[in-house]
Amino acid sequence: GAVVSQHPSWVICKSGTSVKIECRSLDFQATTMFWYRQFPKQSLMLMATSNEGSKATYEQGVEKDKFLINHASLTLSTLTVTSAHPEDSSFYICSATGLVRNNEQFFGPGTRLTVL
Amino acid sequence: AQSVTQPDIHITVSEGASLELRCNYSYGATPYLFWYVQSPGQGLQLLLKYFSGDTLVQGIKGFEAEFKRSQSSFNLRKPSVHWSDAAEYFCAVGPFSGGYNKLIFGAGTRLAVHP
Repeated sequence: GAVVSQHPSWVICKSGTSVKIECRSLDFQATTMFWYRQFPKQSLMLMATSNEGSKATYEQGVEKDKFLINHASLTLSTLTVTSAHPEDSSFYICSATGLVRNNEQFFGPGTRLTVL
Repeated sequence: AQSVTQPDIHITVSEGASLELRCNYSYGATPYLFWYVQSPGQGLQLLLKYFSGDTLVQGIKGFEAEFKRSQSSFNLRKPSVHWSDAAEYFCAVGPFSGGYNKLIFGAGTRLAVHP
């Protein structure tokens, strides 16, 4: 139990286009979802925290207009990278937490974004 | 400010040898501590966690970690490493702020295993 999926697993897009990444909790209700960004051979950096039905809370230095987060239901959160540029290329990982195992975070497999 | 330090960026061990990965944290109170493993191109898998109680925590895949408050450490150990253990290991601190399980990760330690 407590499985989190992400779609797509990888995406390549042209500079200037927008890309949407989905994060789903498959077998539990995720009251909170987190979005992380990971550069090659580096750690995970928290980008934002989203709660179902409310606006996301962004970490310092993360552009909210650039990285749009929607958490419309208890099983789905989306991250949209708007007007993507090559510097947005990265590995994006989501995690979800709910009333499962003391609010433990369960991580998705990640999405590799490459902007040409 | 809360922070996590993993002093070793890269460690290489021989298969069958013992392993210890270091983790030090900075936090104002007793933290919630985690160790995750990440295989190439994959998400994170929780190995073990410490919330309270016994300071020696057992995890999956034969891993254990010991919380030492006096040293602000939470080192991960395994008595005998297998080739499949080669991966990136992250230590994390989970301060509970506003009821959310917000995690702060260390920089990670990449483990290579020689046959």
